[in-house]
Amino acid sequence: DVKVTQSSRYLVKRTGEKVFLECVQDMDHENMFWYRQDPGLGLRLIYFSYDVKMKEKGDIPEGYSVSREKKERFSLILESASTNQTSMYLCASSLTKGGGYNEQFFGPGTRLTVL
Amino acid sequence: AQTVTQSQPEMSVQEAETVTLSCTYDTSENNYYLFWYKQPPSRQMILVIRQEAYKQQNATENRFSVNFQKAAKSFSLKISDSQLGDTAMYFCAQTLNMRFGAGTRLTVKP
Repeated sequence: DVKVTQSSRYLVKRTGEKVFLECVQDMDHENMFWYRQDPGLGLRLIYFSYDVKMKEKGDIPEGYSVSREKKERFSLILESASTNQTSMYLCASSLTKGGGYNEQFFGPGTRLTVL
Repeated sequence: AQTVTQSQPEMSVQEAETVTLSCTYDTSENNYYLFWYKQPPSRQMILVIRQEAYKQQNATENRFSVNFQKAAKSFSLKISDSQLGDTAMYFCAQTLNMRFGAGTRLTVKP
């Protein structure tokens, strides 16, 4: 079974802090994604990566950056956390072979609260 | 922007009955894939069913089936013989642009 893990289930940070969210997948997937999930808005793509050291902006990249130094790990960074970044953050991974046919496998999510 | 719309924020169904969740999408592409994902309360999102746009035949997975109308850009999910374990948020997705709908919260009542 594919396993996608996220470093924290719950996180509370203060405005202005630098926040790191970590995601690890164990199935050698090329693609990794970061979404935020908000009620009434569904999932919105922040960034995705299709290879090590490669990244592409999603729909809402402002205020976020990412890092992918190893194939299995994809980090989301909030350079200076703000209250409007309070949300559930979901990481996902998928294979490249087969293209858009491939399902995404999701982590359990990190519920981030910024005070 | 190419979007995915789920017009039913919440639905409920009695156990053993059938329910249909609606989804419409917008794309200018001809070949793409559509997915329904399920997110049970406090649990990870998992795939329910997928549909390839170039296939006319509607996808089926056990009690789950889709009604795919390509011209209308409609992709509804039918759950037959609903079970208590079907209670979850359901998201429609088009992975061409990694776009998800806002979700439908389904409650199956005993």
